Amino acid sequence: QVLLQESGPGLVKPSETLSLTCTVSGGSISSYYWSWIRQPPGKGLQWIGYMYYSGNTKYNPSLKSRVSISAEMSKNQFSLKLNSVTAADTAVYYCARLQIALGGFDYWGQGALVTVSS
Amino acid sequence: QSALTQPASVSGSPGQSITISCTGTSSDVGNYNLVSWYQQHPDKAPKLMIYEDNKRPSGVSNRFSGSKSGNTASLTISGLQAEDEADYYCCSYSASSTYWLFGGGTTLTVL
Repeated sequence: QVLLQESGPGLVKPSETLSLTCTVSGGSISSYYWSWIRQPPGKGLQWIGYMYYSGNTKYNPSLKSRVSISAEMSKNQFSLKLNSVTAADTAVYYCARLQIALGGFDYWGQGALVTVSS
Repeated sequence: QSALTQPASVSGSPGQSITISCTGTSSDVGNYNLVSWYQQHPDKAPKLMIYEDNKRPSGVSNRFSGSKSGNTASLTISGLQAEDEADYYCCSYSASSTYWLFGGGTTLTVL
């Protein structure tokens, strides 16, 4: 059973950088694609981006200039950084495994609420 | 990039069947067999219910089925149960630079 767990600050100030880490257990991140998805309060899901352990990354064009996703292979973790945040970035952030050939996100973390406020 | 279009809400009585539609374009839903559906209960993470348009992951009830016609995908839930009350989201690979596109979500109410 693959388990994902998000961790990081729950409060970030405007213009600063949001940083979250996803720890994967029950499987290695050195296979599959790993993704971040967010959900503003009361709203729908938005795909942020994904990474492959080889370093290949793809990002949502609406966030591309502010986002980066990277892996820490030795810790079986991958991370999200979103800079220059505003209140519009307040959301629950989920990490998830993407089965890219099947087009589905099959394992999800429980989600981490990040609030952008001074 | 606009989200895929879903009805805001649908409802049905226990035992009935309902269908949720998901409309995209020839650049996403209509061009790839990569539509997936997710169930989300309040304050819970989404759960994969359908992938590759119409395939069910192991453990998902066969009351859930997916289909597609042209640029519109559909999720059908038969034999509605109270536990099916949740939000449902479709998702598709998109040939445009967005890559993975979600629908706006549909709230299912079991009357």
